[in-house]
Amino acid sequence: ILNVEQSPQSLHVQEGDSTNFTCSFPSSNFYALHWYRWETAKSPEALFVMTLNGDEKKKGRISATLNTKEGYSYLYIKGSQPEDSATYLCAFKHGSGNTGKLIFGQGTTLQVKP
Amino acid sequence: DVKVTQSSRYLVKRTGEKVFLECVQDMDHENMFWYRQDPGLGLRLIYFSYDVKMKEKGDIPEGYSVSREKKERFSLILESASTNQTSMYLCASSFPRGRNQPQHFGDGTRLSIL
Repeated sequence: ILNVEQSPQSLHVQEGDSTNFTCSFPSSNFYALHWYRWETAKSPEALFVMTLNGDEKKKGRISATLNTKEGYSYLYIKGSQPEDSATYLCAFKHGSGNTGKLIFGQGTTLQVKP
Repeated sequence: DVKVTQSSRYLVKRTGEKVFLECVQDMDHENMFWYRQDPGLGLRLIYFSYDVKMKEKGDIPEGYSVSREKKERFSLILESASTNQTSMYLCASSFPRGRNQPQHFGDGTRLSIL
């Protein structure tokens, strides 16, 4: 059974704090790792799709790194703002990836207090 | 922009009813997916389809069926609704090939079975 674990499950930070969360996935048969942001009452939105070991991606104040050999990815948010409050989901795609099927972690819910 | 539209944001049905959840995408994506989201759990795949009239079971297909008669439309059917099917249901679509293809999600349907 392929398992994707995210930690922590939830996080409360003050506006301006920097924060990071972890996604752990199987290190064998890696194809791609996705990060999504899911704000309340909206649809999940893709942040990053990462495919290469050592990949680093950045979008504004949010960045992510990937280590496929040890099976983890970190998501960083620099200077958190209230609008960053959301659930952050990572998802692992294995094998040839032809079906496009993803295995999701349970998510990290971030609350940023003004 | 990709648009994935789910027919209802909120739905209340009774135990034993046959329930249809509809999803339409406008980007000519081959892959379409149905997930459910429950507190403390990640998105769990119910069914997916990689072409018209093609379907494959996901991780939790029991009690559900699907229909894909046209490329843009993917329907989830609860054959005889039960209270344990009360959940948030999300539809998604994607291109099948290419390592960098994210999934695009609808806004979700919050379904309550009484």
